[in-house]
Amino acid sequence: GAVVSQHPSRVICKSGTSVKIECRSLDFQATTMFWYRQFPKQSLMLMATSNEGSKATYEQGVEKDKFLINHASLTLSTLTVTSAHPEDSSFYICSAPKGGASGHEQYFGPGTRLTVT
Amino acid sequence: DAKTTQPPSMDCAEGRAANLPCNHSTISGNEYVYWYRQIHSQGPQYIIHGLKNNETNEMASLIITEDRKSSTLILPHATLRDTAVYYCLSRDRDDKIIFGKGTRLHILP
Repeated sequence: GAVVSQHPSRVICKSGTSVKIECRSLDFQATTMFWYRQFPKQSLMLMATSNEGSKATYEQGVEKDKFLINHASLTLSTLTVTSAHPEDSSFYICSAPKGGASGHEQYFGPGTRLTVT
Repeated sequence: DAKTTQPPSMDCAEGRAANLPCNHSTISGNEYVYWYRQIHSQGPQYIIHGLKNNETNEMASLIITEDRKSSTLILPHATLRDTAVYYCLSRDRDDKIIFGKGTRLHILP
């Protein structure tokens, strides 16, 4: 089946630094990808929609200047957490629908656990 | 906001069928119902989806009521590896999947 990968799987960084997380669709092209954040014992919260060749659209309350999204190709979207702080520590998960934004099967990456010290 | 409601947790004995209910009384007539599950510290995994008819695949069966106000996901022979949080979802008008709180399914040995 379709696979979505994320890199890195875990990252620890110091407060004030920036961290880049990659999301790749391995065997299909994805013009749209989604980024989620999940805090412990909570559900996934949608952060933004990544659009290939255009600007990302952010959910209400998500700072676009803090969470930079670049969808440079049909198989790669990146999320950069800028000037990270301990409250940004979370599990970040991307997803990509196969067959376009309305494709029925949406595939999720394995997640990236970010710890900011 | 999520348009579905689920019980927060359920138990099921290993080897028995796990029946997970979901209420979605506010979804529109052309909105699909999707089920995903999340095993601890992993990304969600697609299980099944349906519109009106009952559906079955290698993982599960989905039973949708005739009025489409609720559905049940059936795992026919639950194993310990089915322990996970199960999410019943629909999509918003922008095709985004919005997660609710899901049902934490415990499989008991």
